[in-house]
Amino acid sequence: DAGVTQSPTHLIKTRGQQVTLRCSPKSGHDTVSWYQQALGQGPQFIFQYYEEEERQRGNFPDRFSGHQFPNYSSELNVNALLLGDSALYLCASSLAAGGLYEQYFGPGTRLTVT
Amino acid sequence: KNEVEQSPQNLTAQEGEFITINCSYSVGISALHWLQQHPGGGIVSLFMLSSGKKKHGRLIATINIQEKHSSLHITASHPRDSAVYICAVVSFKAAGNKLTFGGGTRVLVKP
Repeated sequence: DAGVTQSPTHLIKTRGQQVTLRCSPKSGHDTVSWYQQALGQGPQFIFQYYEEEERQRGNFPDRFSGHQFPNYSSELNVNALLLGDSALYLCASSLAAGGLYEQYFGPGTRLTVT
Repeated sequence: KNEVEQSPQNLTAQEGEFITINCSYSVGISALHWLQQHPGGGIVSLFMLSSGKKKHGRLIATINIQEKHSSLHITASHPRDSAVYICAVVSFKAAGNKLTFGGGTRVLVKP
């Protein structure tokens, strides 16, 4: 049983460019959350997708958008990249979007913006 | 003030020592998670608690809902326990299971 997978593992982009990160949830999971972790800090919640809809969103600008597909996989898109967007982007999946469901994390995508 | 505070920020121990990491939170929660993050970034879920105590191998996690406090204990620590340990909570106010994270505790266990 594959766990949560993310692609790519590393990415280097230039300021102003756009990037798409991908996440496949653990088998049987229908909820995907995205987090941004700057170097030396704890992760920050970006948004969560459930039943192909954005269920909840953190304090991130509209440059950050996402999508969930019918097979529950998800994409995170970031437009007009800034240097400050350099971070580890983590995807987590869970069985459902309730508080008592354990979340499983992917290995992350490390984005560097130059 | 952050909703989730961890202490200490950094901890160095000798192999075999007992380690305690503390987490305090200021909101009503439905669950608290303890997570482990190794260099390179991957996060592993250690425990999810809503009350009481859980044990897995040399790791023990406790939570006191009334005091809004949780602890993670590592018994007989080993160099492979060196990692960042993160406390995260699911707030009652949050729709879904959005996690709010503490800043992490960096643990180094020396042989």
